[in-house]
Amino acid sequence: AQTVTQSQPEMSVQEAETVTLSCTYDTSESNYYLFWYKQPPSRQMILVIRQEAYKQQNATENRFSVNFQKAAKSFSLKISDSQLGDTAMYFCASRHYGGATNKLIFGTGTLLAVQP
Amino acid sequence: EPEVTQTPSHQVTQMGQEVILRCVPISNHLYFYWYRQILGQKVEFLVSFYNNEISEKSEIFDDQFSVERPDGSNFTLKIRSTKLEDSAMYFCASSHRGRNTEAFFGQGTRLTVV
Repeated sequence: AQTVTQSQPEMSVQEAETVTLSCTYDTSESNYYLFWYKQPPSRQMILVIRQEAYKQQNATENRFSVNFQKAAKSFSLKISDSQLGDTAMYFCASRHYGGATNKLIFGTGTLLAVQP
Repeated sequence: EPEVTQTPSHQVTQMGQEVILRCVPISNHLYFYWYRQILGQKVEFLVSFYNNEISEKSEIFDDQFSVERPDGSNFTLKIRSTKLEDSAMYFCASSHRGRNTEAFFGQGTRLTVV
């Protein structure tokens, strides 16, 4: 079974600083995707970044990057130059690749507050 | 940019009533999903739908729930005989292909059962 664990219920960061959100996961599959989704106060789910497990290179999207440690089953999100608009709930999620299931498994989320 | 749209954004219903939540997936997408998020909790998978049939469902998705693609554009979630614990945010999502593409989410429908 897939599980995703986010051990930080809440985080706070000063504007323009860098923050790292942690995520660990467990799966018996060798092929899978990992995602970070952002949920602002509007509660819409917005894809931030995606990582394919077969790729060794860490994904980056502008100010967002991940540290993917496959052996440790760790997938952290780094937000550089934090902005007030980054204030949101962040969910880590996993999905198997090429199998019978396409469902996303989400963690419990980390509420990030960016302080001015 | 194409997006998944959900209506209504907020629905209040009496306990025991039936509700239909509506979604218009992105037009060239083939896989459709419903997820649920009870306030303060994590997002949970309910059901996936492909080729006009359910491809996977969770243990939450019991006989109280049903999904339908009544025409070429809409994807609906019907909840019969609503209970207080059905109060949640319901998200529709779609993906172009199931295996290798990410799901795009709608803005959600907040269902409140009173």
